Amino acid sequence: AQKITQTQPGMFVQEKEAVTLDCTYDTSDPSYGLFWYKQPSSGEMIFLIYQGSYDQQNATEGRYSLNFQKARKSANLVISASQLGDSAMYFCAMREPGAGNKLTFGGGTRVLVKP
Amino acid sequence: KAGVTQTPRYLIKTRGQQVTLSCSPISGHRSVSWYQQTPGQGLQFLFEYFSETQRNKGNFPGRFSGRQFSNSRSEMNVSTLELGDSALYLCASSLTTYRDTQYFGPGTRLTVL
Repeated sequence: AQKITQTQPGMFVQEKEAVTLDCTYDTSDPSYGLFWYKQPSSGEMIFLIYQGSYDQQNATEGRYSLNFQKARKSANLVISASQLGDSAMYFCAMREPGAGNKLTFGGGTRVLVKP
Repeated sequence: KAGVTQTPRYLIKTRGQQVTLSCSPISGHRSVSWYQQTPGQGLQFLFEYFSETQRNKGNFPGRFSGRQFSNSRSEMNVSTLELGDSALYLCASSLTTYRDTQYFGPGTRLTVL
C-alpha cells in the first residue's frame, strides 16, 4: 500500500492566486513527521515546511502553510500568492520513527504558474 | 553556510562499469542519506549513514553500496551498471537524527549507455 499519496499529477495556477496541493499518508505510528519539498527543473530538492504529528498548530513558513488534518491523515500544502518561480514539482514526504532519517515520498505534483 | 554539495553533477557510463558519487554534507551535519529518483519509480531511499555507520538501508541490490568518512562526507558506489541505474541521485544531510530536517544537494545525474 502507498504510504504517501499525491493525487494531483499536475495543475495550473494563475499568478497571485493561492493553490492547494493534496497529500494523504498512511502510518500506524502515532509519532511521525511530514515534509514538503519543492523540486525545480534544476533537480535540487528544496525544503519548504515541516509538520510533526504532535504539533498543535498547523505549520506556516512565509507563503507556505500546511493544512494538517490528523484524523483524515492528510497534510495539504497551501501556497498563497503564487509566483512564476513557484513553477516546479512538489513532493510530500513522511518520516517514521525507527527508520532513522529515511523519507518516504509521494509521486509529486507538477505546478505551473501562468502569468 | 554552504549547502550540500555533490560531485560530479553529470556522469555518463556504459553498462558493466562502476561509478562512485560523492556528497559533502552541510558543515556540522552528521547524517547523510542517499536517494534515487527515476521517472518510473519516483524517489526511493537507498541508505543512510550516521557517524560512519550505515543506519538504514532501502530495498536495492548489493551492487549499490556506500560509506561515510570521519568528516561526514559520503560516497556511494554502484558496480556493474545497468541501463536501469540511469537516474538522478540525491544526497541529503541532517544534523543528527530523526527529528531534524534533511537538506538536499543538487544531485548527480547518471546516464548509463
